[in-house]
Amino acid sequence: AQSVTQLGSHVSVSEGALVLLRCNYSSSVPPYLFWYVQYPNQGLQLLLKYTSAATLVKGINGFEAEFKKSETSFHLTKPSAHMSDAAEYFCAVGPIAGGYNKLIFGAGTRLAVHP
Amino acid sequence: DGGITQSPKYLFRKEGQNVTLSCEQNLNHDAMYWYRQDPGQGLRLIYYSQIVNDFQKGDIAEGYSVSREKKESFPLTVTSAQKNPTAFYLCASSAGQGVSSETQYFGPGTRLLVL
Repeated sequence: AQSVTQLGSHVSVSEGALVLLRCNYSSSVPPYLFWYVQYPNQGLQLLLKYTSAATLVKGINGFEAEFKKSETSFHLTKPSAHMSDAAEYFCAVGPIAGGYNKLIFGAGTRLAVHP
Repeated sequence: DGGITQSPKYLFRKEGQNVTLSCEQNLNHDAMYWYRQDPGQGLRLIYYSQIVNDFQKGDIAEGYSVSREKKESFPLTVTSAQKNPTAFYLCASSAGQGVSSETQYFGPGTRLLVL
């Protein structure tokens, strides 16, 4: 069965510091992997996705993620945090076997950025 | 602009009352989804629909019902049988087949509160 684990429910960084949000997955089939961002009281916005092309995926707002099959990881990074990056971030994996484009979401990581 | 709209933004439910959350999309997507979001639990799938006039239960369907009479619309009814309905509800859609069919796009959400 597919699952997603996001390590750290809260991460705090200084403005200008490296952002690293961790995501590990399990999947019995070649996975699709996604990172979404959610600002308070809003829906989820797609940051980036991996669908078996390049293992290093670049997304919006300067974020990128690297698919590492040997480590079953898809960590999200950004070289320099900005105050506007403060939000909740969700990792998701699909497809679910027999589940037609269903996704499994991690519990989320709330990123705080302080001056 | 193409996108997903949800209404209302806030909804109040009295004891024993059924309430309906609206979700409309103009992306010409075949598949639509309803998720429930509770703090610290990520997103959990309530119902999904692959095509008009067809829908399947997700992981937490008890106390909810849906219909899919039109491609653009996928309303969710929270029935009186749902004993803990207070949550943030998110609607999503995906292309269903073809290029990027695995990617889900989200609406802005409806927050349901119990009076």
